[in-house]
Amino acid sequence: DAGVTQSPTHLIKTRGQQVTLRCSPISGHKSVSWYQQVLGQGPQFIFQYYEKEERGRGNFPDRFSARQFPNYSSELNVNALLLGDSALYLCASSLGTLYEQFFGPGTRLTVL
Amino acid sequence: ILNVEQSPQSLHVQEGDSTNFTCSFPSSNFYALHWYRWETAKSPEALFVMTLNGDEKKKGRISATLNTKEGYSYLYIKGSQPEDSATYLCAFYGTSYGKLTFGQGTILTVHP
Repeated sequence: DAGVTQSPTHLIKTRGQQVTLRCSPISGHKSVSWYQQVLGQGPQFIFQYYEKEERGRGNFPDRFSARQFPNYSSELNVNALLLGDSALYLCASSLGTLYEQFFGPGTRLTVL
Repeated sequence: ILNVEQSPQSLHVQEGDSTNFTCSFPSSNFYALHWYRWETAKSPEALFVMTLNGDEKKKGRISATLNTKEGYSYLYIKGSQPEDSATYLCAFYGTSYGKLTFGQGTILTVHP
């Protein structure tokens, strides 16, 4: 079975631009979570979706938004990019909101 | 703001040594404690999901214990091997908020 997939692998943007990151969960998983990881820190929670509804939101500005589609895939959007948004963005899927999470390989975003 | 602390921040051991590290988390509103192993250039991999006070789990040479009343978990690696080199992350799942809060990780390097 395919694991969690994310696209693109790497992305370079400039300040002020907008970016969309994509995630496909493991088949059968209905929950998708997004995390931001910067060097030297653990992943920071951004969003969790379950059955297309937002179930949790971390301490991130409104420039960050996400959605989950009927096939349970998900997109993370970041508007008005700042240099500080440069990070590894991880997606994780799970059977439900309180279950073990399976992580994708991440998208490395660089903002210049 | 939830505080999940891991110690030590990094650890260097020789092949064959046994080692352990600590995760501290809030003792209130506990639902689960996750341990993940994150090897360079790979996705974080779930090791254990622990839910019960006094829980002990084992996978090969790796084991973990949980004390929810005092808010800590230990991860033990017996007879460390170079392939155990990775960042070990713990993550707290509370009952009041649907998200995983990660510690900053312990970076383990096992020297041949």
